[in-house]
This record gives sequence, structure tokens and C-alpha cells, in this order.
Amino acid sequence: DAGVIQSPRHEVTEMGQEVTLRCKPISGHNSLFWYRQTMMRGLELLIYFNNNVPIDDSGMPEDRFSAKMPNASFSTLKIQPSEPRDSAVYFCASSLSGVQPQHFGDGTRLSIL
Amino acid sequence: GDSVTQMEGPVTLSEEAFLTINCTYTATGYPSLFWYVQYPGEGLQLLLKATKADDKGSNKGFEATYRKETTSFHLEKGSVQVSDSAVYFCALSEDSNYQLIWGAGTKLIIKP
Repeated sequence: DAGVIQSPRHEVTEMGQEVTLRCKPISGHNSLFWYRQTMMRGLELLIYFNNNVPIDDSGMPEDRFSAKMPNASFSTLKIQPSEPRDSAVYFCASSLSGVQPQHFGDGTRLSIL
Repeated sequence: GDSVTQMEGPVTLSEEAFLTINCTYTATGYPSLFWYVQYPGEGLQLLLKATKADDKGSNKGFEATYRKETTSFHLEKGSVQVSDSAVYFCALSEDSNYQLIWGAGTKLIIKP
């Protein structure tokens, strides 16, 4: 079975540019999570979708970040404009009805120069 | 609020050594407890879980027992291998809650 698929795996861009991260959850999973991982702050939940609807976006750092889930098989996390402090590994995870366990993708390593 | 505390790393061991990574928690209810593992360059994956007191989760030679009296869920393995080198995360989830409360992670290094 295919796991959670994220793209790109690596992204390097200059400050001020728009960044779009993509995620395809496991088929049949109706809950989707976006996380950010840094050495300083560890794993942070950014946003949680259930049935394509954002349920909890309290972890989204600021208005520069936005996330969408237009259908059950696709989600995006967008940063505009990007800043060097956004450099991190961003993970997408999915689960069945929000119930544990969550299944993680391999992440996108984002570097903002 | 709920929290998870795990021992700081890195933990460095020789191959075939016994492993313990400590994890303690605070929770208002009766949480489920998890250990996730993150291999280099990969996402987190569930290693084992326990959903109620005295349950023992086990997988790939790793074990952890849900101890309500000591609010602990320590990860153990009798004989580690180089391939076990990874970062290990302890986490909890309250009943029917999508939120996972994460520990900071413990990096494990196994030397041949």
C-alpha cells in the first residue's frame, strides 16, 4: 500500500519567494495533519483537517502560512512570503477519523536563504 | 495541560547492549501511549503503543509497559543493533482526541 506522499523532498529558495508543499494522504484516511520539525522547537502541529475541513489551525505561525485541502487525496501548505526562520522539515500525516496512529510522509526539507 | 518528558540524548551504546529510554507523562484523563521512531531522512513511524494501564506494547524486539502508578512508558530492547540508530519519540493521546502530545525525542546511536 502506498504511504503518505509528500513533494518536493527538498526545497531551497530565497527569502520572499512563495513556497508550496504538497501532500497525498493514504487512500481512505479522512484526517490530515501538517507538522513542522526543528531542532529548537521539536515537532509542532500546524493544522489538522478532518473530511477536508480545517478543524484546528491554532498552530499556524502567522498569516504567511496557509493550508488547503481541496479534496480527500490532496493538500497543500503554502508560505508567502518565505523567511529564513521558516527553514525546517515539514511533515504531512494522515489517519482514519483522527484516531491514532498517524502515518507520516518522509517530509519536505525546506531551506530559505 | 498534558505533557511528555523523555530522557535527553544522544544515547550511545555498543551493539548488543541493553537499551532503556525513559518516558514519563502527565495527563488529566486516561491516555493512550505511543513510541514512534524516525530513521535518518525519513518520517516518523509508529513503533508500538499501549492503550490502558499495564498493557505492554511490543514490536521489532522493542517493548514498553504502560505504568499508571509511575506515569511512565519506558522503551526497552534487550540487544540493540546498528540499524536501531534513530530518533525515538514518546507521545500520548487522550481518548478520542486527534492531538498527539510529543516528547522532545531521544537520539540513539549504536556503535558496532
